[in-house]
Amino acid sequence: GNSVTQMEGPVTLSEEAFLTINCTYTATGYPSLFWYVQYPGEGLQLLLKATKADDKGSNKGFEATYRKETTSFHLEKGSVQVSDSAVYFCALGQEYGGATNKLIFGTGTLLAVQP
Amino acid sequence: GAVVSQHPSRVICKSGTSVKIECRSLDFQATTMFWYRQFPKQSLMLMATSNEGSKATYEQGVEKDKFLINHASLTLSTLTVTSAHPEDSSFYICSAIGVMNTEAFFGQGTRLTVV
Repeated sequence: GNSVTQMEGPVTLSEEAFLTINCTYTATGYPSLFWYVQYPGEGLQLLLKATKADDKGSNKGFEATYRKETTSFHLEKGSVQVSDSAVYFCALGQEYGGATNKLIFGTGTLLAVQP
Repeated sequence: GAVVSQHPSRVICKSGTSVKIECRSLDFQATTMFWYRQFPKQSLMLMATSNEGSKATYEQGVEKDKFLINHASLTLSTLTVTSAHPEDSSFYICSAIGVMNTEAFFGQGTRLTVV
């Protein structure tokens, strides 16, 4: 079945460091891929998404490219801030009722950015 | 983005009792709601999918009689954990999507502790 594998955390970085959080997936067909972020005490928020191969999702300085050949969707940011400290979830979207909204999540990666 | 509110955020109950968790879409009509369960250091596991006015569709391995889901209106879905046991202690998260939405929006989650 479909699955998502995400690098384990926690990831601890200094402010302005480069961030990469690895995510690979296993899926049949052509799923959509997502990154969600969960700030302390809040619900999950969609950070970015890509719906087909070679698409690049981007938001708030974060980027991820849908790589079909390596089945990957790694999250990157060139310069992290303390406010980026959160848990990041990679997810794969399956078709449900004509929309891609049934999500399969990775385990989440805790990012801690130190000043 | 749209707001999904989950209540309560934390609940402690005794073994053998039932507890109800509410998931409300505050500013949109949610045609579909998803319920997830998250164990420590593990990914969010989809428990069930519910459409307004219909019976929920449960994922394999999820006990329908133990986790009762009701989606009686376009703004409210409830998850009732019946005859709770300590192993039901977990973090439960709902998400909702409406006709006009292209993404699912998540509640803040409910931490259930069964003692």
